[in-house]
Amino acid sequence: KAGVTQTPRYLIKTRGQQVTLSCSPISGHRSVSWYQQTPGQGLQFLFEYFSETQRNKGNFPGRFSGRQFSNSRSEMNVSTLELGDSALYLCASSRGDPSTDTQYFGPGTRLTVL
Amino acid sequence: GQNIDQPTEMTATEGAIVQINCTYQTSGFNGLFWYQQHAGEAPTFLSYNVLDGLEEKGRFSSFLSRSKGYSYLLLKELQMKDSASYLCAVRADGSYQLTFGKGTKLSVIP
Repeated sequence: KAGVTQTPRYLIKTRGQQVTLSCSPISGHRSVSWYQQTPGQGLQFLFEYFSETQRNKGNFPGRFSGRQFSNSRSEMNVSTLELGDSALYLCASSRGDPSTDTQYFGPGTRLTVL
Repeated sequence: GQNIDQPTEMTATEGAIVQINCTYQTSGFNGLFWYQQHAGEAPTFLSYNVLDGLEEKGRFSSFLSRSKGYSYLLLKELQMKDSASYLCAVRADGSYQLTFGKGTKLSVIP
């Protein structure tokens, strides 16, 4: 079974631009969560989608948004990029039951904002 | 809110045993996870505890005490490839949101 895939793997943008990252979950998984990882803050939860609906949201500004499609693929968007948005963005997929499921992570997208 | 603490760095010798501790204070609890993350790679799932006690999986074991807000990951027969960061994460009730500790960077030396 193929794992979680993320595209692109690396991205360089400048301040003020916007960026869209993509995540394809493991086949059969319906939940996708997004995390930001930085050396200073570690892994921080952004949001989680299930059946095209956002179920949970972390404490990030409105510049961070996401969506999920009917095939469970998900995208996240960051508008008006800031230097501090430079990070590894990870998505994780799971089947859909928050009481029991394990999240499996993709390889991440390394975003550098100049 | 949630607060998760784990040591920043540890060093251990190849072939030895190492225990990585994690303490947590959370407003709800529905499971504790351990992930391994090699530099530049994605976290990979190691173990999951939701009830008190020890879960053993090969060279890796994880323990949980919910009353003490405490968990540890035990790695036996250390190998050089075990050099990585180990992340402790707690899941709140009915949510997919995982709150992670900052991670423990383990260095295995010959």
